Amino acid sequence: EIVMTQSPATLSVSPGERATLSCRASQSVSSDLAWYQQKPGQAPRLLIYGASTRATGIPARFSGSASGTEFTLTISSLQSEDFAVYYCLQYDNWPRTFGQGTKVEIK
Amino acid sequence: EVQLVESGGGLVKPGGSLRLSCAASGFTFSSYSMNWVRQAPGKGLEWVSSISSSGKYIYYGDSVKGRFTISRDNAKNSVFLQMNSLRAEDTAVYYCTRDLGRDISCYDYWGLGTLVTVSS
Repeated sequence: EIVMTQSPATLSVSPGERATLSCRASQSVSSDLAWYQQKPGQAPRLLIYGASTRATGIPARFSGSASGTEFTLTISSLQSEDFAVYYCLQYDNWPRTFGQGTKVEIK
Repeated sequence: EVQLVESGGGLVKPGGSLRLSCAASGFTFSSYSMNWVRQAPGKGLEWVSSISSSGKYIYYGDSVKGRFTISRDNAKNSVFLQMNSLRAEDTAVYYCTRDLGRDISCYDYWGLGTLVTVSS
């Protein structure tokens, strides 16, 4: 099983600042990496797939990048609606595995 | 508009069974792989099971293998999860999800979820 490790567990950011979230895979997942945003009481929302492709309707302030087994989600200028929990998902191998999540909170 | 609507959740005793259903609309259901993902209260996301568009290929997470069975009815635009020998640790919100595309098996649409509580 591929283990996905997200860091940090919690990120405290002021509105308008940049947020950088990391996700590391225990082995290669190629570019088969997605990022999700989840707000309390809601289903997750797909932000990024293929490590760097924004999903339909996702604002340009969200971007994804990859370097080997290290993946990064960057939110260039945090808006109030961006405070949420973010998960990565690898879909290269079975079983599919999620990271444990990063909570982005207001500083 | 794509919609996924789960049903069938509820309270069940340990060792009991439940059958979850997911009714899909707004897209060509028979062209997409479908999945179940769960989330225990206050915890992260866990992939449970996937079924290919034709139903030929099926996958399960280790924690549910041998106890859960995924199936689909393309004529009724529905996917199901039969859950047997339920345990307390199966308590979670169960989401029905759709694959983004034929070769992109992350999940673009999610239902609102149905809560399964396993407790005596």
